[in-house]
Amino acid sequence: DSGVTQTPKHLITATGQRVTLRCSPRSGDLSVYWYQQSLDQGLQFLIHYYNGEERAKGNILERFSAQQFPDLHSELNLSSLELGDSALYFCASSVFAHEQFFGPGTRLTVL
Amino acid sequence: KNEVEQSPQNLTAQEGEFITINCSYSVGISALHWLQQHPGGGIVSLFMLSSGKKKHGRLIATINIQEKHSSLHITASHPRDSAVYICAVPTYSGGGADGLTFGKGTHLIIQP
Repeated sequence: DSGVTQTPKHLITATGQRVTLRCSPRSGDLSVYWYQQSLDQGLQFLIHYYNGEERAKGNILERFSAQQFPDLHSELNLSSLELGDSALYFCASSVFAHEQFFGPGTRLTVL
Repeated sequence: KNEVEQSPQNLTAQEGEFITINCSYSVGISALHWLQQHPGGGIVSLFMLSSGKKKHGRLIATINIQEKHSSLHITASHPRDSAVYICAVPTYSGGGADGLTFGKGTHLIIQP
């Protein structure tokens, strides 16, 4: 158990819908990273938040957004969903610039 | 942007064999990560290293910063080591703020 929690575990929704994925980092970690793992693209970095502020962006689509709240939990919002957004979404937390600890992931299926 | 190459893509070995997985990257980095992903999907961090060698039980990771190359070794391999092993580096050379860029992974199967 990494100490990072993600909810929900599974999510099934329809094209065009909007969903919110939630991540709670390990106690004491200020950094939260979001990653997407799909069959065709593999693991990809989406976005990094540190202590409530966005620090780096990766291959995150404009339809996706994220935020980190004062209690350090983070949410990833995915809107206007397409079939290709079906993937495993991981968050990871760390002390800044240190080893990253991954949550169990949220499996998103868009039908 | 960093590029990561891993080899081999697939590896099947017998229990007890010594396993080596290689990783090379294109841009100088502050640290490299080795991760393990089991069939259930969960990702576990095995090592983060910036120089030399680290050991954790039967796992050993080495890195050569000048040659931009790292290896993961498993000694006395066991069927429970069967998993996908993934090498990852900061996306840009910077480090702390970067997310990770990942190799495609090595699918390892250890047969009893």
